[in-house]
Amino acid sequence: AQSVSQHNHHVILSEAASLELGCNYSYGGTVNLFWYVQYPGQHLQLLLKYFSGDPLVKGIKGFEAEFIKSKFSFNLRKPSVQWSDTAEYFCAVNAALGGGSQGNLIFGKGTKLSVKP
Amino acid sequence: SQTIHQWPATLVQPVGSPLSLECTVEGTSNPNLYWYRQAAGRGLQLLFYSVGIGQISSEVPQNLSASRPQDRQFILSSKKLLLSDSGFYLCAFTLGRSSGNTIYFGEGSWLTVV
Repeated sequence: AQSVSQHNHHVILSEAASLELGCNYSYGGTVNLFWYVQYPGQHLQLLLKYFSGDPLVKGIKGFEAEFIKSKFSFNLRKPSVQWSDTAEYFCAVNAALGGGSQGNLIFGKGTKLSVKP
Repeated sequence: SQTIHQWPATLVQPVGSPLSLECTVEGTSNPNLYWYRQAAGRGLQLLFYSVGIGQISSEVPQNLSASRPQDRQFILSSKKLLLSDSGFYLCAFTLGRSSGNTIYFGEGSWLTVV
């Protein structure tokens, strides 16, 4: 069965610090990968996604993620965080089953990011 | 553009009472619909998904049920709530192949069972 691991439960950074949130998944086949963000009091929003092609994906608000297939990882990065990046971040994976079919989306437990001004 | 709405946003219900959370999608037809739950300290858990009217698949055996009476309406229900049903419930949809499997979420519903 597929699973997604986000190793950091809570990350605390100062503004302008660099960010890297880890995400590892377990699935032997082709996958689609996502990062979602949930700002306080708001619903989940898509940050970025990877389906195929360039493994370095750029998303909104200066975020990027790199898919490393050999490591089954899809870590989220941002060179310089802002106070407004305080939120909970979720990594998600689903299996690309071929012919346009998809497996169900599996989420990690989330990582809370607190950015101190 | 497509939108998704779910309600109510917050709900406090006594143990043993019924539950009904409703979700509707606009701007598209024949979406795949999902109910997720985010319990405290845990990740998002898929509860139900539906690929068409009247077609419901359950991922986790539990005290909840789902129905899809119309193409763009998805309802999460319970006849008798348990304390363990407390959590944050998210309705979601996908558009199919052209969307690249991206999933879009509603605003969420906070359920507290007391």
